[in-house]
Amino acid sequence: DIVMTQSPDSLAVSLGERATINCKSSQSVLYSSNNKNFLAWYQQKPGQPPKVLIYWASTRESGVPDRFSGSGSGTDFTLTINSLQAEDVAVYYCQQYYSTPYTFGQGTKLEIK
Amino acid sequence: EVQLLESGGDLVQPGGSLRLSCAASGFTFSRHAMTWVRQAPGKGLEWVSVITGSGVTTKYADSVKGRFTISRDNSKSTLYLQMNSLRAEDTAVYYCAKDPDTTGYSYNHFDYWGQGTLVTVSS
Repeated sequence: DIVMTQSPDSLAVSLGERATINCKSSQSVLYSSNNKNFLAWYQQKPGQPPKVLIYWASTRESGVPDRFSGSGSGTDFTLTINSLQAEDVAVYYCQQYYSTPYTFGQGTKLEIK
Repeated sequence: EVQLLESGGDLVQPGGSLRLSCAASGFTFSRHAMTWVRQAPGKGLEWVSVITGSGVTTKYADSVKGRFTISRDNSKSTLYLQMNSLRAEDTAVYYCAKDPDTTGYSYNHFDYWGQGTLVTVSS
């Protein structure tokens, strides 16, 4: 199974500042035949289901603000939230869909400092 | 508008059974793989099972293999999860989620999620 490890577990950032969340996979999730990284980022607010923000490691889902961006390849990935807003308080998860069992990171709780 | 509505969650004793349903609307159900993901209280997300659009291919997490069965009825646009031999560690909110690809095959992220249904396994 591919193990997904996020860092940090929690993060406090001031409004208007940048938040950075890292995700590392135990093996590459880059599929060489199409050069795509099978990696997504989700945001989950209390009492709500997860919502996809980023897929293929760097493609922003329709309707997601452009302050959210994803980067990385192979085994190391980053979710960056620029100009943090109060509504960005949530838990963020990375997920690989390269192979089953699909696996999620343990989550990163983002709070306002 | 895509909608996924889970139902069937309940309090059940260890060793018991339960069937969850996920009623889908707003898209051509048979063209999309569907997945169950669960979340234990206060914990992270755990993928449970996936089924292709045709229903021919299914895959499971090791933690539920042999106890849970995923299925679908494309004529009713409904996804199911039959859960047998339930254990305390199966206690969770169960979400159904949709694959965005229209080929009916998997290996994609999940673009829509239901609100979830709570399964509690306790005596």
